Amino acid sequence: DVVMTQSPLSLPVTLGQPASISCRSSQSLVHSDGNTYLNWFQQRPGQSPRRLIYKVSNRDSGVPDRFSGSGSGTDFTLKISRVEAEDVGVYYCMQGTHWPRTFGQGTKVEFK
Amino acid sequence: EVQLVESGGGLVKPGGSLRLSCAASGFTFSSYSMNWVRQAPGKGLEWVSSISSSSGYINYADSVKGRFTISRDNAKNSLYLQMNSLRAEDTAVYYCVPGFDYWGQGTLVTVSS
Repeated sequence: DVVMTQSPLSLPVTLGQPASISCRSSQSLVHSDGNTYLNWFQQRPGQSPRRLIYKVSNRDSGVPDRFSGSGSGTDFTLKISRVEAEDVGVYYCMQGTHWPRTFGQGTKVEFK
Repeated sequence: EVQLVESGGGLVKPGGSLRLSCAASGFTFSSYSMNWVRQAPGKGLEWVSSISSSSGYINYADSVKGRFTISRDNAKNSLYLQMNSLRAEDTAVYYCVPGFDYWGQGTLVTVSS
């Protein structure tokens, strides 16, 4: 199975400051079709997850542009340019290239 | 508006069975591969099973293979998960997730004696 390793697992943030989460996969996530199926999800406290980013860097509809995804191969990053209060929660990366689909452990973002 | 309504969860004894359902609306159900993803209390997300749009391709996590069966009815815009031989470690909120694009509220399955 492809192991997804996120860091850090806990991220204290300051309102208005940038934040960054790393996600590394144990194998390349480049699919035979040429796409890289790496997603990022946000789960706010008490809510269901929602997808923020698909195929490494594509923002879902309604996702603020302060969220951005980047990376390639086995190394990926989710960045928040300026953290807002509503960004508190747990963030997960997930690979959709290989079976079984696998998630990272989650990164808890909370205010300092 | 996309709506995903999971149902069928509840309390069941170890070794018992449950059938989860997901009623979908607001998108072209028959065009989407569908997934079940679960989340144990206080834990992270775990992919459980996927079924392609026409039911031709099905995959399971090793942790549920041989015990769970995924199916769908495109005429009814519905997804199902038959869960047999349930174990305490299957306790979780189960989410129905089309293509990983949208998430419902989930249904809680508790396996306990």
